[in-house]
Amino acid sequence: EVQLVESGGGLVKPGGSLRLSCAASGFTFSSYSMNWVRQAPGKGLEWVSSISSSGTSMYYADSVKGRFTISRDNAKNSLYLQMNSLRAEDTAVYHCARSKSSWKYDCWGQGSLVTVSS
Amino acid sequence: EIVMTQSPATLSVSPGERATLSCRASQSINSDLAWYQQKPGQAPRLLIYGASTRATGAPARFSGSGSGTEFTLTISILQPEDFAVYYCQQFNDWPLTFGQGTNLEIK
Repeated sequence: EVQLVESGGGLVKPGGSLRLSCAASGFTFSSYSMNWVRQAPGKGLEWVSSISSSGTSMYYADSVKGRFTISRDNAKNSLYLQMNSLRAEDTAVYHCARSKSSWKYDCWGQGSLVTVSS
Repeated sequence: EIVMTQSPATLSVSPGERATLSCRASQSINSDLAWYQQKPGQAPRLLIYGASTRATGAPARFSGSGSGTEFTLTISILQPEDFAVYYCQQFNDWPLTFGQGTNLEIK
């Protein structure tokens, strides 16, 4: 069974840092591009960042560029999102999602809640 | 940035009827469009990609059409489990963008 399980969310103060992880299982992780998509409470979906299957190409939304870093470890079947200089507007559920052949998301994790508040 | 606009924001339809949801792109995205279904407390689920190809496991009552800037998701005979929020997403160019969603509710 294909599974994506996020972890690492929690409550953090503005200006703080957090690292999200996404553990993948049930498929050949190294063959898929991966993504982070977030959803603020009661709001719609917002793409955050993407990384190619090899990890050589990364893409970021303007709202997080320079503050967030996406990475992956294909040996550990894991995706990461390092989030620095967090702001209140970063409060959201962060989903990891996989992509193959194009940047659509054919499998999603349940998400990890990040709350930025003093 | 390509802006995706969905209409209507809320659609009230009775079970057994047909539902038609629209999505418009601010510039041509060819057929690089996906539709997702999201139920409360759940992750989104891919329904349609390439504007008209049903994803694995998506019921045949879901169909997508369109190309360029105008797209439609049609649910032919609404089942109780179809009432949810639907999002379109373009994957033609960076940044990848979603529509704001259509809430399909029971009439």
